[in-house]
Parts: sequence; C-alpha cells; structure tokens
Amino acid sequence: QQPVQSPQAVILREGEDAVINCSSSKALYSVHWYRQKHGEAPVFLMILLKGGEQKGHDKISASFNEKKQQSSLYLTASQLSYSGTYFCGTANAGNNRKLIWGLGTSLAVNP
Amino acid sequence: DGGITQSPKYLFRKEGQNVTLSCEQNLNHDAMYWYRQDPGQGLRLIYYSQIVNDFQKGDIAEGYSVSREKKESFPLTVTSAQKNPTAFYLCASSTGTGVIQPQHFGDGTRLSIL
Repeated sequence: QQPVQSPQAVILREGEDAVINCSSSKALYSVHWYRQKHGEAPVFLMILLKGGEQKGHDKISASFNEKKQQSSLYLTASQLSYSGTYFCGTANAGNNRKLIWGLGTSLAVNP
Repeated sequence: DGGITQSPKYLFRKEGQNVTLSCEQNLNHDAMYWYRQDPGQGLRLIYYSQIVNDFQKGDIAEGYSVSREKKESFPLTVTSAQKNPTAFYLCASSTGTGVIQPQHFGDGTRLSIL
C-alpha cells in the first residue's frame, strides 16, 4: 500500500519553514526520507523506526507517530539548497523486507 | 571513494531489442535494488537481491530480468516484453535488508525508445 504524501507541492521564500507528511494505511515498521534534485539520484536524509522517535539533521528533522501511522518532515529556516522533491519510503510491519515509496512532495525555495 | 556506478547514463532501445543496464558497487553491501521512476512518480521496485545468487521480484518485474553472480554487480536486462520501457532507472544498495539502513543510489540510467 503506497504511502500518501502531503502536500504535493510547496513554494517557500528563503528562511521560511515547511512540514511534509507521509501517511500509511498499514502499520509501519520504518520510514525513510530522501531528497531528489531533478535528474539526479535520491539522497538519504534520515530513517525513523517504530517507537515514535524524532530525529534531526541540521535544520531538518522528522517525527514518527506510530498511532497515526504517519511521519512528518520538518524543514526550518529553509535554504535555497533545500529545493527538490522529497520522498518518503515506508516498510510495513507485515512486510519489512522492502520499501514502498510515496509520490513525492516538490519543494521550491525562492530567494 | 566508495559508491555505486550505473552505466550508461543514457540508453536507446530499438523495437524488439533487449538492453542491459549495468550497476556496480564497491561499498561491500549485501543488498541491491533496481527501481523505475516515471515523470512525476515515486520509485517502483523492479527486483531486489539480498545475497549473491538470490533475487526476488518487486512490484513491476514483468519484462525485466536480473542476475547476481557477484556481490558487487547487479545488472538489469530490459527485455522486448517490456512494452513501455522509457523511464529513469535507479540502482541502489544497502547493508542488511535496506529497511532499517539507508539505501545508497547510483546516478541513474535514462532509457528511451528509438
């Protein structure tokens, strides 16, 4: 079951914040977040495992709400380099051998 | 530097032709994956392999074939049975199963029909 990402697209001015959500209809085992720039390979941001942990990396952090089967990616004080498409990949509790990817959220940061 | 190398960067296929996309990694990773990405879409899993000489079908395996004879290499063949092969193909690798460790991606191969 493909996770649902929202919003589909976001436009920010440099320095603004954004939240991207990733929701699943099935119990989650892990959630991965990646950023992909046009025509390039996805780049790993972070992994969250069930247990409701929150992780941070510079000004990008994420949370995992096990009850809601949802993960949120928080981008604070956005920089131009944050532009790209953000994908979440989820592994379900019943099938934790492969990831299923969302359709992505396009983020554009303007000066 | 360790990483994943995909070749060629661009590939053109004629009708009825099989083509092979190369993927080599020197990260000593056990697991390797092939994904297909269409414009505006997420990644769809074609095949994955967790150990040498073993691989499993992903969600869209029809019209594709793979082999895993060496730990470092996981080539993907797009056969003539794949009627709509135009897409961006990404190879990835990871330690373990790849659901609790990061997947590292190559730069991709863009395949088009002539």
